[in-house]
Amino acid sequence: DTGVSQDPRHKITKRGQNVTFRCDPISEHNRLYWYRQTLGQGPEFLTYFQNEAQLEKSRLLSDRFSAERPKGSFSTLEIQRTEQGDSAMYLCASSLKSGRRGWPLGYGYTFGSGTRLTVV
Amino acid sequence: AQKITQTQPGMFVQEKEAVTLDCTYDTSDPSYGLFWYKQPSSGEMIFLIYQGSYDQQNATEGRYSLNFQKARKSANLVISASQLGDSAMYFCAMRESVDTDKLIFGTGTRLQVFP
Repeated sequence: DTGVSQDPRHKITKRGQNVTFRCDPISEHNRLYWYRQTLGQGPEFLTYFQNEAQLEKSRLLSDRFSAERPKGSFSTLEIQRTEQGDSAMYLCASSLKSGRRGWPLGYGYTFGSGTRLTVV
Repeated sequence: AQKITQTQPGMFVQEKEAVTLDCTYDTSDPSYGLFWYKQPSSGEMIFLIYQGSYDQQNATEGRYSLNFQKARKSANLVISASQLGDSAMYFCAMRESVDTDKLIFGTGTRLQVFP
């Protein structure tokens, strides 16, 4: 396994179009996260899954955004009716939740290379 | 609410010298974790080092060490013997909750290493 994969790497779309991104996590990881990073900022949490269940969504995730993780494997993030403000880097990460407090999460929290979305 | 502050938008360091990148945090949870990530121009977030709030010793990973001062709520990253390949954005992050594992990031510091 070579890490977290995201596809596509770059996407340019016209305002009002729908786009879908894919994330393939590390196979043994049961948690998957989506973050959004705008220019000059750090990543901001959007949503996360444990297995196939979506357990939390940020208020940043408007009704135009939807994420799925069927069968607890890969995940997709769809943005409907894109707006110029959606232009950002969309990062996916995965981790293994052990259930123990104090688990060194840094040793399992792996990011993909991101999908850079430009809405024109 | 939890918050991460990085006050240095940019830093310059000469090759082979050491550099410290500052990070302060705010949380009321006694159990938390602090991370440093490197983001080159390719966009990937590369994990560098992790410090748990209950860890007695400062974390070290090769040329990276974390100067953890709990009372001051600071977690500065020290890079020793800088290399040209260290030029990148560096982000400090905190695990917000032991249950969700989601991270809160600072605004980052752009490090430039010159020969």
